[in-house]
Amino acid sequence: GQQLNQSPQSMFIQEGEDVSMNCTSSSIFNTWLWYKQEPGEGPVLLIALYKAGELTSNGRLTAQFGITRKDSFLNISASIPSDVGIYFCAGFTYNAGKSTFGDGTTLTVKP
Amino acid sequence: DSGVTQTPKHLITATGQRVTLRCSPRSGDLSVYWYQQSLDQGLQFLIQYYNGEERAKGNILERFSAQQFPDLHSELNLSSLELGDSALYFCASAGGSTDTQYFGPGTRLTVL
Repeated sequence: GQQLNQSPQSMFIQEGEDVSMNCTSSSIFNTWLWYKQEPGEGPVLLIALYKAGELTSNGRLTAQFGITRKDSFLNISASIPSDVGIYFCAGFTYNAGKSTFGDGTTLTVKP
Repeated sequence: DSGVTQTPKHLITATGQRVTLRCSPRSGDLSVYWYQQSLDQGLQFLIQYYNGEERAKGNILERFSAQQFPDLHSELNLSSLELGDSALYFCASAGGSTDTQYFGPGTRLTVL
């Protein structure tokens, strides 16, 4: 089946630094989604991407749908302590009719 | 607030017991998904329902079952519970053609 490789698995950064994480696959996706999960809570949708090459921002977050449709990245600029959490990517294909989730990137921000 | 509700928020039970988790999707969403998340793990897809019918199955144990009712709410039934079933259980709902899923707040199940 389809698999997503999400990296890095974890990141420890200083407040104010920029963060970059990505998801790659050997499969083509029609939609890429990025979620953030805080401890004990459900994942919250951050950004949805529906077109190859699309670049979308949500505040300090920017995500791009790779031109090959096989990858996506999420950038967080000027990180703050409340950015702490697990970030998941998810890819959806019409053919499969279902979404595949990455294993998550755990972000720790040191004040 | 995603618009997806789950009850109960917490559930503590003993091994061998059976529990039912409930999920109400966002208004208008026809798809409901169930996920299991063990401590420090990713989201394990269990099962998907669409408009009352089972659409996809993931790594769901035979001791687990689910259904989606005519009003579109869904229930996940977990039976013969084991210690290893302790986890967060999330449901998500989606509508439209892009399968953009919105997650509920989860049910934390503790099996003692």
